[in-house]
Amino acid sequence: AQSVAQPEDQVNVAEGNPLTVKCTYSVSGNPYLFWYVQYPNRGLQFLLKYITGDNLVKGSYGFEAEFNKSQTSFHLKKPSALVSDSALYFCAVRDLNYGQNFVFGPGTRLSVLP
Amino acid sequence: ETGVTQSPTHLIKTRGQQVTLRCSSQSGHNTVSWYQQALGQGPQFIFQYYREEENGRGNFPPRFSGLQFPNYSSELNVNALELDDSALYLCASSKGSDRAYEQYFGPGTRLTVT
Repeated sequence: AQSVAQPEDQVNVAEGNPLTVKCTYSVSGNPYLFWYVQYPNRGLQFLLKYITGDNLVKGSYGFEAEFNKSQTSFHLKKPSALVSDSALYFCAVRDLNYGQNFVFGPGTRLSVLP
Repeated sequence: ETGVTQSPTHLIKTRGQQVTLRCSSQSGHNTVSWYQQALGQGPQFIFQYYREEENGRGNFPPRFSGLQFPNYSSELNVNALELDDSALYLCASSKGSDRAYEQYFGPGTRLTVT
């Protein structure tokens, strides 16, 4: 079965500092990996995805993610955090062997402190 | 903001009742997926509709059913409501059912079952 782990429930970072939100996955085939962000009382917003190719993927709002096949990880990063980045972040995976559904991680709450 | 809309925004129902939630997909999208997001958890895949046919289903009982219409809008129906059905229900649309496509989420419908 496919699964996604986000080992940190909460990440705190000071504004201007780099941030990392961690994600590891388990699939039986080649993974398609996604990051979404959720602001309070809002739906999920797409940030970026890895399908194939360069292991470093750039996305919206200055975010990027690094795919590491050997460590089965897909960590989300940003060089300089903003207070407005504070939100709930979800990593998700799609595996061809399990049809069309996304499997989401439990989420990591990011707090950027001024 | 995505072009995905959902109605109603909030809903309160009594255990045993039935409920219908509605979703309008983003223009140009022919695939709609439904997710249940319980408080403090990541979204859980319910099912997906592609060109009016169910195209994958998660681990939800048959009392969760759906429809997709020729204009690609969709309904989620839940019969015999249980207290555990209280959650945020998210609809997401995409350009197709291929796993490479990102999904664009609506703001959700908050269902409370008492």
